[in-house]
Amino acid sequence: IAGITQAPTSQILAAGRRMTLRCTQDMRHNAMYWYRQDLGLGLRLIHYSNTAGTTGKGEVPDGYSVSRANTDDFPLTLASAVPSQTSVYFCASSAGDPGELFFGEGSRLTVL
Amino acid sequence: GQNIDQPTEMTATEGAIVQINCTYQTSGFNGLFWYQQHAGEAPTFLSYNVLDGLEEKGRFSSFLSRSKGYSYLLLKELQMKDSASYLCAVRDDNYKLSFGAGTTVTVRA
Repeated sequence: IAGITQAPTSQILAAGRRMTLRCTQDMRHNAMYWYRQDLGLGLRLIHYSNTAGTTGKGEVPDGYSVSRANTDDFPLTLASAVPSQTSVYFCASSAGDPGELFFGEGSRLTVL
Repeated sequence: GQNIDQPTEMTATEGAIVQINCTYQTSGFNGLFWYQQHAGEAPTFLSYNVLDGLEEKGRFSSFLSRSKGYSYLLLKELQMKDSASYLCAVRDDNYKLSFGAGTTVTVRA
């Protein structure tokens, strides 16, 4: 089934640990995104990539890094997790017109 | 940046009509999207407006007025399965999408 796969689905992490959330798409979309969703704040853009080899900062990039080595994969890394990074993380991709986002199922991260 | 406002919650009766308003203030505009998100699930695309006017898609319609910075999503013939959060999102000139906090719609029998 075509779409976006995120892993892990859920994770509990100790503060200070390093964590990478994985995201893979098989739709050959050029653009990919990472959002976090928190109650009352909606979806906020962390980082994005318009095409393989390029990345950009979104609204809330601090404490996060991304890479885009190829079209399909767009991992999100928390170098040293803090409790304020407890959230649900959604990876998304888009292509064409109108360029709507296709979302993965989300990764629920709890930092203690 | 973008400032996108929508009501937090709305309640309606099965079979009725509900209108969800969205106002935005943006540094650039390249389209407005509506997404539906059921609890515990990922958002899914509902509609897209880039020109002023009404876009109709089955029981759902979306309206845009660029001069007023205003959109609404109209849900007709409400069904229980329409209970969800509805997210208004604006795309800027750099093709980045910013979301409102979402409107939770509860449909009652």
